[in-house]
Amino acid sequence: AIQMTQSPSSLSASVGDRVTITCRASQGIRNDLGWYQQKPGKAPKLLIYAASSLQSGVPSRFSGSGSGTDFTLTISSLQPEDFATYYCLQDYNYPLTFGPGTKVDIK
Amino acid sequence: QVQLQESGPGLVKPSETLSLTCTVSGGSISSYYWTWIRQPPGKGLEWIGYIYNSGSTNYNPSLKSRVTISLDTSKNQFSLKLSSVTAADTAVYYCARRIAARPIYAFDMWGQGTMVTVSS
Repeated sequence: AIQMTQSPSSLSASVGDRVTITCRASQGIRNDLGWYQQKPGKAPKLLIYAASSLQSGVPSRFSGSGSGTDFTLTISSLQPEDFATYYCLQDYNYPLTFGPGTKVDIK
Repeated sequence: QVQLQESGPGLVKPSETLSLTCTVSGGSISSYYWTWIRQPPGKGLEWIGYIYNSGSTNYNPSLKSRVTISLDTSKNQFSLKLSSVTAADTAVYYCARRIAARPIYAFDMWGQGTMVTVSS
């Protein structure tokens, strides 16, 4: 199975900050990577698919980049509603595997 | 607007079979990969498996010997059975719709999740 790692595992940031989260795959996955946001007690929500495509309805402050093994999720200006845990997911082959998550909380 | 809703017992005894159903409303159950994902308390997400509308399935090898996912198109439902459960199967179980048609491979719709506790 493809192993996904994320860094950092958690971070503290302020409203308005630029935040970058990194995801790395144990082997090349082309651009078959998605980013999901999860708030406590809620289901994950799709933010980005195909590494850099913004899901409909997701604010443009979210962006994704990367291909192969290294990927990033960037929030250009953190908003109060963005405090959550973020997961990457490789959708390249089975079993599909998620990263361990990055928790973004208030500084 | 498509909605997914999980249902089933919230408590299952060790060694028994966990059974959950996901009801899809507001849209057809065809042409997508209907998926189960779980999340143990305070932990990350684990893909369990999917069923396609053709009836084909694919399961996580870590659970494959214990998992069955089935589809009832007449009721717009799909179901999960996980046998011989232990405390390690305690988790929130999510059903989700997966699009798998280039360029989009993603879980675009999710149920709210249902907590299942394995305990005697």
